Amino acid sequence: GQQVMQIPQYQHVQEGEDFTTYCNSSTTLSNIQWYKQRPGGHPVFLIQLVKSGEVKKQKRLTFQFGEAKKNSSLHITATQTTDVGTYFCARPLGSSNTGKLIFGQGTTLQVKP
Amino acid sequence: EAGVAQSPRYKIIEKRQSVAFWCNPISGHATLYWYQQILGQGPKLLIQFQNNGVVDDSQLPKDRFSAERLKGVDSTLKIQPAKLEDSAVYLCASSSGRGPRTDTQYFGPGTRLTVL
Repeated sequence: GQQVMQIPQYQHVQEGEDFTTYCNSSTTLSNIQWYKQRPGGHPVFLIQLVKSGEVKKQKRLTFQFGEAKKNSSLHITATQTTDVGTYFCARPLGSSNTGKLIFGQGTTLQVKP
Repeated sequence: EAGVAQSPRYKIIEKRQSVAFWCNPISGHATLYWYQQILGQGPKLLIQFQNNGVVDDSQLPKDRFSAERLKGVDSTLKIQPAKLEDSAVYLCASSSGRGPRTDTQYFGPGTRLTVL
């Protein structure tokens, strides 16, 4: 279907350790977006990936889009307590550009100081 | 630039009562979305407006949920009557609606609804 699966569902790390969350689709994606939601907060847009094999960096965050455009990953280097939250990937609904998104179930990151 | 505004932030009602949520999108944003986010899950799209017209309401439980965006700016989402399973955070988001790609969506703080 059009769902995106995220793994793991939860991740507990010690501050300073790295963290990776994966987003997988059974169908080819035109693009993938990533959002972060802090506890008690609302989703905040992080990035959009469009090209096959694309890699984008934002400080300690590295986003990748697979060559087949069916999977994506978010890697955080040397986690900090400010990285705590739930990370969602989101894919467009359908093939047309209607703006509608389907969100994954998210990966919740806990960072122990 | 002001963000997406929502009110109220919290609402507690009993089942079978009615409730309404309000959203004011970012100025100039043509597209407005209402999402339902149940605890532990990702946001689920309920309805999408482009200006004052409905683009997609296929996921909206129309027997009890309704939404409108009469003047193409503010929007209200209503639930009547509420059920226990409607307990969730209701998020409003807006986007410019002008890009050829999937637009970035900007979310409001949400309304946390508890149905007792």
